Amino acid sequence: QQQVKQSPQSLIVQKGGISIINCAYENTAFDYFPWYQQFPGKGPALLIAIRPDVSEKKEGRFTISFNKSAKQFSLHIMDSQPGDSATYFCAATGTASKLTFGTGTRLQVTL
Amino acid sequence: GAGVSQTPSNKVTEKGKYVELRCDPISGHTALYWYRQSLGQGPEFLIYFQGTGAADDSGLPNDRFFAVRPEGSVSTLKIQRTERGDSAVYLCASSLRAGRDTQYFGPGTRLTVL
Repeated sequence: QQQVKQSPQSLIVQKGGISIINCAYENTAFDYFPWYQQFPGKGPALLIAIRPDVSEKKEGRFTISFNKSAKQFSLHIMDSQPGDSATYFCAATGTASKLTFGTGTRLQVTL
Repeated sequence: GAGVSQTPSNKVTEKGKYVELRCDPISGHTALYWYRQSLGQGPEFLIYFQGTGAADDSGLPNDRFFAVRPEGSVSTLKIQRTERGDSAVYLCASSLRAGRDTQYFGPGTRLTVL
């Protein structure tokens, strides 16, 4: 059972553009939503995370928007750069500690 | 400081063989997690330890998979009678405490079962 659905599967954005990745979850027990960035041959690394008591969190060029009633959250990457080219995973967890990941979005930022 | 390390980085084995994958967590981290990542997919939870004990092993696919963390630091994931379907990248992560503390991932071990 896929508890976290992620789209799109792949994304091509021009340098300086905005990259948007969307996720939806089913389990209402989830209360912590991190985004991870993964480069080829590396493990995932935490990018930014949000709790459901806020609707938005911004760190530099990265922003998470959260809609609790719709059980959806999204990652926005402003002023996308070629160095942002990677695979992005949304995830969710609750008191169970284990992370449930989405299927990933492969982002390519072109010059 | 040193991050999470995993050895070996690559392991090729034959169907039916036994393999061990090792994880060295960040020093001082009490929680340790194992995930499995198939090609083109997100990591899937296998098991996590709080200290020496397995707090949640609900993600282990069957009884061929077993993990230990005898001294509360290094962990070993053991797979018996490997099958071709076990081929994947096995990721280890650690966090200061269990719960919502940031999980720091190692680079993974790529297991190929021929």
